Amino acid sequence: AQKVTQAQTEISVVEKEDVTLDCVYETRDTTYYLFWYKQPPSGELVFLIRRNSFDEQNEISGRYSWNFQKSTSSFNFTITASQVVDSAVYFCALSEPKTSYDKVIFGPGTSLSVIP
Amino acid sequence: AAGVIQSPRHLIKEKRETATLKCYPIPRHDTVYWYQQGPGQDPQFLISFYEKMQSDKGSIPDRFSAQQFSDYHSELNMSSLELGDSALYFCASSEGTSGGQETQYFGPGTRLLVL
Repeated sequence: AQKVTQAQTEISVVEKEDVTLDCVYETRDTTYYLFWYKQPPSGELVFLIRRNSFDEQNEISGRYSWNFQKSTSSFNFTITASQVVDSAVYFCALSEPKTSYDKVIFGPGTSLSVIP
Repeated sequence: AAGVIQSPRHLIKEKRETATLKCYPIPRHDTVYWYQQGPGQDPQFLISFYEKMQSDKGSIPDRFSAQQFSDYHSELNMSSLELGDSALYFCASSEGTSGGQETQYFGPGTRLLVL
């Protein structure tokens, strides 16, 4: 079973629109960590945010915001006023120290295209 | 800020050849991880090292081996290369013992093409 689901395979938005990328995870561990990584066309993986399972406080960083809800096992990512430079593949990821130790489990990714 | 360094950035090999990928972690990071990302796929965990000892092992083929050296850099050795080994190979590093608790910072990747 997929432990991290990103149901949106591809999203296209026009510049300055807001966009939300969905992420649903599955784990039996009580302590776990959630991440978002960005992979631009150049290929590198850029760390965006890390959240632990005990901290449900939402976070905002500039145009980026994250909504963590344990009740629905979701960790959604919103970009406001999108820009062309936001075009990339975004991966949601999970680490479960007890079950999966070092392994970070990535979702399938959502490819975001921001059209000028 | 210093990032993870990987070399080479691009590599072209023939089938059945051998390749060595190198990874230099962020200074003071003592844990390194290797991931493989096939075309259009998400990264898959291969292996990790903490303080020069293997820490965890994922879906790494027997043809691949890796080690971490005293200066904490790591090398991934790949032998008897197959067409299916063509992928982007990432190294990541974190500070302190991992167990999945630390953020893994990824390098730019090595793009391997096997012909």
